Amino acid sequence: EPEVTQTPSHQVTQMGQEVILRCVPISNHLYFYWYRQILGQKVEFLVSFYNNEISEKSEIFDDQFSVERPDGSNFTLKIRSTKLEDSAMYFCASSYGQGGNQPQHFGDGTRLSIL
Amino acid sequence: DQQVKQNSPSLSVQEGRISILNCDYTNSMFDYFLWYKKYPAEGPTFLISISSIKDKNEDGRFTVFLNKSAKHLSLHIVPSQPGDSAVYFCAASAVAAGNKLTFGGGTRVLVKP
Repeated sequence: EPEVTQTPSHQVTQMGQEVILRCVPISNHLYFYWYRQILGQKVEFLVSFYNNEISEKSEIFDDQFSVERPDGSNFTLKIRSTKLEDSAMYFCASSYGQGGNQPQHFGDGTRLSIL
Repeated sequence: DQQVKQNSPSLSVQEGRISILNCDYTNSMFDYFLWYKKYPAEGPTFLISISSIKDKNEDGRFTVFLNKSAKHLSLHIVPSQPGDSAVYFCAASAVAAGNKLTFGGGTRVLVKP
């Protein structure tokens, strides 16, 4: 069964450094998402991406964050200058369409640790 | 964000019995509700969903019930199996809000052999 893949599985970065998290969505999917889960908290939405542009973003997704689909297969999340509070599990998801009959499929996540 | 709440952080059930997981929401704009299952070190895996215009959806051992007037949904797993031991997340989406998922806090289910 096709799956969403994320790399790396664990990223350790010094505060203030840039980090890029990578995702390969399911190949025929059209909608792409990033979520994060801070330890002990809920999974929270960051951003959605469709047709090569951001379609929705949360308050968390400020100017330090950006997303890109540099080619036909990868979807990346960049954090320009990381803060301690960016430490979290970051999940990429993709879906073919919108709505519960086209559910989002998640990768296994990247654990980001900011020192 | 308290729009989706799972009030039971954990549930323990005997193998073969029914597991019932509950979820409450506050936003009337949600038009789909989904259940995801998560094992440690893995991402959430989609289980089952229900449209806001339905009151029941069934898929094998999993049934989701929606009570719109009470803004409440539940997931029934019957019979429960040891492999069902995981964290279960309720999530909701609204097409008008770009289909982003709003998650509950999760319920950890332990199925005892």
